[in-house]
Amino acid sequence: DAGVIQSPRHEVTEMGQEVTLRCKPISGHNSLFWYRQTMMRGLELLIYFNNNVPIDDSGMPEDRFSAKMPNASFSTLKIQPSEPRDSAVYFCASSQRTGASYEQYFGPGTRLTVT
Amino acid sequence: AQKVTQAQTEISVVEKEDVTLDCVYETRDTTYYLFWYKQPPSGELVFLIRRNSFDEQNEISGRYSWNFQKSTSSFNFTITASQVVDSAVYFCALSEAQGNDYKLSFGAGTTVTVRA
Repeated sequence: DAGVIQSPRHEVTEMGQEVTLRCKPISGHNSLFWYRQTMMRGLELLIYFNNNVPIDDSGMPEDRFSAKMPNASFSTLKIQPSEPRDSAVYFCASSQRTGASYEQYFGPGTRLTVT
Repeated sequence: AQKVTQAQTEISVVEKEDVTLDCVYETRDTTYYLFWYKQPPSGELVFLIRRNSFDEQNEISGRYSWNFQKSTSSFNFTITASQVVDSAVYFCALSEAQGNDYKLSFGAGTTVTVRA
């Protein structure tokens, strides 16, 4: 079975440009999570969806960040405009059901570099 | 406040040595779940194990074993007879069930280097 798929794997962009990260969760999973990983802050949850509905976006750093999940098999995380401090690895994860007991399966991540 | 503490930043061992990774968590909930994830140099996060708060039975999976002790709020992970392929960053995580809060709180990670 295919795992969580993320694209692109690497993204290099200039400050001020719009960046869109994409995620396809595991088929049948109804919860989707976006994380950011940096050396300074470790793994941080940005937002999560349940049945395509955003449940908690309190981790989104600022209004430059937005996320959508138009259907059960696709989600995007957009940064507009991007800044150098957004450079990080962004992970998407999905879980089978909503709930604390369900493990999350992570995608390979997108390494974003903003110059 | 840090919910998950992994006090060991880095551990370096020689192949075939055992290595134990410490994880201490903090929660007020009676129902919670603990996880370990592995992040090899390739970067992906790999789920290893889930343990619920009602099950203190230790678990063994091949060379991996986990020791869960509620009395000390610890969920330690041991790799027996380590191999070079075990080199990775290992994360402990806590998920609390109360109030529909199912966000994972990750520790800072422990980098394990296994030398041949």
